[in-house]
Amino acid sequence: SQELEQSPQSLIVQEGKNLTINCTSSKTLYGLYWYKQKYGEGLIFLMMLQKGGEEKSHEKITAKLDEKKQQSSLHITASQPSHAGIYLCGAALRVNQGAQKLVFGQGTRLTINP
Amino acid sequence: ETGVTQTPRHLVMGMTNKKSLKCEQHLGHNAMYWYKQSAKKPLELMFVYSLEERVENNSVPSRFSPECPNSSHLFLHLHTLQPEDSALYLCASSQEGQASGANVLTFGAGSRLTVL
Repeated sequence: SQELEQSPQSLIVQEGKNLTINCTSSKTLYGLYWYKQKYGEGLIFLMMLQKGGEEKSHEKITAKLDEKKQQSSLHITASQPSHAGIYLCGAALRVNQGAQKLVFGQGTRLTINP
Repeated sequence: ETGVTQTPRHLVMGMTNKKSLKCEQHLGHNAMYWYKQSAKKPLELMFVYSLEERVENNSVPSRFSPECPNSSHLFLHLHTLQPEDSALYLCASSQEGQASGANVLTFGAGSRLTVL
């Protein structure tokens, strides 16, 4: 079965600093999704990567999928308190009747200190 | 507001109670999902409904019973739960069959369940 390992599990950074979160898969990724979750709430979609070497950016967040499609990184530049939360990576798997499902890593808890 | 609404947001129940969680999506999606999120564990997929048919049942105990009466509504019926079932239950929806192959899930805010 597909397994996703995120590192680090938690991260505390000073406001304004850059940071990187990694997501490593046990199998080739056919779709890698990044979500953000505020404590006790639902997940908000950030970005999706499908092609090896692909890179996408949204505001100060950049996500990359490596050429072998088994690892992705999420990079935040000049972090702000609004970036605090739990970041989760998800991998797409196909189930019966053509439907897909996402399996997720355990999440990285990000704290931004002012 | 994501377009996926879950009620109730918080639920406390005894082990002998019967209760239901409700999820409604206003996005016109054709697939709906239940996930369980426990402390220090990855999100666990419980059930997938595609075009109102259950296509995935991830070895979930029978005390959890899903129902999808139409493509906009999803229920999770709860009966004789155990304290270890206390968790955040998240509902999500998506549009299957995209030409790009993408399957972006839109999540609700979750229902926090406590079983005493």
